[in-house]
Amino acid sequence: KNEVEQSPQNLTAQEGEFITINCSYSVGISALHWLQQHPGGGIVSLFMLSSGKKKHGRLIATINIQEKHSSLHITASHPRDSAVYICAVGANFGNEKLTFGTGTRLTIIP
Amino acid sequence: NAGVTQTPKFRILKIGQSMTLQCAQDMNHNYMYWYRQDPGMGLKLIYYSVGAGITDKGEVPNGYNVSRSTTEDFPLRLELAAPSQTSVYFCASSSLRGQETQYFGPGTRLLVL
Repeated sequence: KNEVEQSPQNLTAQEGEFITINCSYSVGISALHWLQQHPGGGIVSLFMLSSGKKKHGRLIATINIQEKHSSLHITASHPRDSAVYICAVGANFGNEKLTFGTGTRLTIIP
Repeated sequence: NAGVTQTPKFRILKIGQSMTLQCAQDMNHNYMYWYRQDPGMGLKLIYYSVGAGITDKGEVPNGYNVSRSTTEDFPLRLELAAPSQTSVYFCASSSLRGQETQYFGPGTRLLVL
């Protein structure tokens, strides 16, 4: 069983819809990362969080440490949001290694 | 700042050949990482380095070697390439620990035939 599970694997939505991508993990962590992989392959870090909620523009990331669960929300989705969104966790504070989920492929239709 | 750069972008190797994937960063980051990404799989850590002269194995190190002679450069060496090493390779760096934001290079697509 993968330590990091994402759902859904694929998501297609209409432009303007509110999007939620989920990430569950099975180990204690010190930080959780959300990454975006563009269709061209480049990977960009969106958020790193260890508690609560962070917001950047139309993107919101939340984490519930007790439930070992995080969500990434996109408000007013746009075709340029089409990408693969990857969740990754760092297991122990000071541990340099991240464990990655397999990603959620999001397609926003105009 | 160029950030994290990788060369080449794409390479085809024959089975048994060797090559070095180059990675450089200009952000003075101590931590550097090599990952591979296979279709439908999450990124897997191959090797990482916490500073010049210090490297350690990740989850999937077999068939690879690394060195870190400078803060800026972290090359990945493939010896005796095998079809199982067909993948996309990403180099990344972070300033402090893995818990900090990682900055990724554009990736190298490798095909071993």
